[in-house]
Formats: sequence, structure tokens, C-alpha cells
Amino acid sequence: KAGVTQTPRYLIKTRGQQVTLSCSPISGHRSVSWYQQTPGQGLQFLFEYFSETQRNKGNFPGRFSGRQFSNSRSEMNVSTLELGDSALYLCASSLGQQSSQYFGPGTRLTVL
Amino acid sequence: GENVEQHPSTLSVQEGDSAVIKCTYSDSASNYFPWYKQELGKGPQLIIDIRSNVGEKKDQRIAVTLNKTAKHFSLHITETQPEDSAVYFCAAIGSGGSNYKLTFGKGTLLTVNP
Repeated sequence: KAGVTQTPRYLIKTRGQQVTLSCSPISGHRSVSWYQQTPGQGLQFLFEYFSETQRNKGNFPGRFSGRQFSNSRSEMNVSTLELGDSALYLCASSLGQQSSQYFGPGTRLTVL
Repeated sequence: GENVEQHPSTLSVQEGDSAVIKCTYSDSASNYFPWYKQELGKGPQLIIDIRSNVGEKKDQRIAVTLNKTAKHFSLHITETQPEDSAVYFCAAIGSGGSNYKLTFGKGTLLTVNP
């Protein structure tokens, strides 16, 4: 089975812009979670989608949003980018609740 | 919410030695504990996981132990090899509405010296 794929792998944006990241889960996985990884804060949960519904959201401002499509692919959007949004954004897919989560390679976002 | 503490933050061992990384968690209802290995430029890779109805699980050179009473779990790597060098993260999944959200420890940078 192909693993979790994320596109693009690298992005450079300037403050105030917005960005959309994409994640394709492992075939058959209906749950997609997003995490932000930074050297200072480590890995932090953003949100999780299952069957196109957001089931939980982490402690991030409303500028961070996401959605999931009927084929389980997911996108996350960050509007009005700030310097502090520079991070590795990871998505993970799983079969469902308390199932093993498998991560993609991440999208490295740099905000200038 | 759940809080996971991980120690040590760095660990250096000689090839062939064992390495142990320890984590504690705060939510007594947590019942799933995975371990991830992250190499430079890659996403975290699931290497082993354990559920709260099991005290120990082993996979070749890697083992995880869980003490629910003390709320801590540990990763044991035996006969370490240079390719084991990476950052290792422990995590826990909480209960109720957070039963799909992983809370991670801060990571342990393991260096295996040849």
C-alpha cells in the first residue's frame, strides 16, 4: 500500500498571505489528523477529520482551518500567515478511533 | 487534557549497547501508547505501540513496557546500531472526545556511536 502523501513538500510564503496544504491518506483510511511541528513546541495537534466531519480541534487560532473530501483526502488552510506559522505540517491517517496513525513526510512551510 | 513528559532529551550510546527512553502521562484513562522514530527530513515513523490491556510488547530489538498504576511507559532498544540514530517520540491518546488525538512527548535525540 502506498503511504500517506503530502503536497507540496516545501513552501515559502510572506506574511499576510494564505496557504493550502494537501494530504492523501493511506487507501482505506478514513481518519486524517493534522499536526504542527516546531523546535520550540514540538508536535501539536491541529484537527482531525473523519468522513468529512471535523471531530476535534486543537488550540490554534481560527486562521487554521481544514476540510476533508469524500475520497478522504484532506486539505488544511492557513490564512493571514504570521512568522510564527513557519513549521513542518504533518498529516497522519488511520482507520479510526484509537487506531495506529501513520504520518506523511510533511510540508515545510517558511513564512518570510 | 493529556500531558506527556519524556526523558531524557538526548541520549548517546555505543553501538551494541541498550537504550531506554521513558515517558509519563497524566490522563489515567489513556489507553493507547505509540512510539515514533523521526529521521532528519522525514515524518515520524510508527515503530511500536501498546494498549493498556498489555504490560509489555516486543518486536525484534525493540520493546515497550507499560505501568498503568504509575502512568509511565518505556521504550527499550537492544543491540543498538548506527541506523537507530534519530529522534524518538512517545505519545498517548486520551479518553472521550480526545480518543483520536495524539499528545506527544518532546522527543529524545538518540545517537548511536560506532
